[in-house]
Amino acid sequence: QKEVEQDPGPLSVPEGAIVSLNCTYSNSAFQYFMWYRQYSRKGPELLMYTYSSGNKEDGRFTAQVDKSSKYISLFIRDSQPSDSATYLCARDAGGTSYGKLTFGQGTILTVHP
Amino acid sequence: DVKVTQSSRYLVKRTGEKVFLECVQDMDHENMFWYRQDPGLGLRLIYFSYDVKMKEKGDIPEGYSVSREKKERFSLILESASTNQTSMYLCASRRHGTGELFFGEGSRLTVL
Repeated sequence: QKEVEQDPGPLSVPEGAIVSLNCTYSNSAFQYFMWYRQYSRKGPELLMYTYSSGNKEDGRFTAQVDKSSKYISLFIRDSQPSDSATYLCARDAGGTSYGKLTFGQGTILTVHP
Repeated sequence: DVKVTQSSRYLVKRTGEKVFLECVQDMDHENMFWYRQDPGLGLRLIYFSYDVKMKEKGDIPEGYSVSREKKERFSLILESASTNQTSMYLCASRRHGTGELFFGEGSRLTVL
């Protein structure tokens, strides 16, 4: 089993839809969770970063961590065509492994006008 | 803005050739990383470096080596390229103690 599992999609939604992207992880030692966004032919860029369980909101984006079920989610409200990208979840185990990120496979999202 | 620059965006090499992928960052970050990205597999860590002249193996180091002689530069070396090393290679840097990785735009390597 991969340490971080992510449905690769692809996911296609109409503009204005609420998008839900999800990942599961297998190692309960994981401490930090991140979402990166990657546009075509570009490197990933950090979108959201969270440590504890619960929600973190930034504009139209909400990251949710449920450590009891080992589930992390990213919600995009009022999705826009400019949100079309690959979304990567990642975890940082922290401790002596701090800084070594493990990524999910990435979900390809297309928002059509 | 942090800038991570990968010198070559696209390379085509032949099996057995030695390949150098160069990465330079301009924000005095201590930590630097090399990942490869393949469809269906996501990003996998090849090597990373916590500081100058320091290096540690990631999850898939076989067939690769690295060099970090200066803080701003981290090189990935394929001693003898093979077709299964055809991939997108991503370099990243990070200030020590923080979580955010800053990525370059990637180097797409094709080995024939």
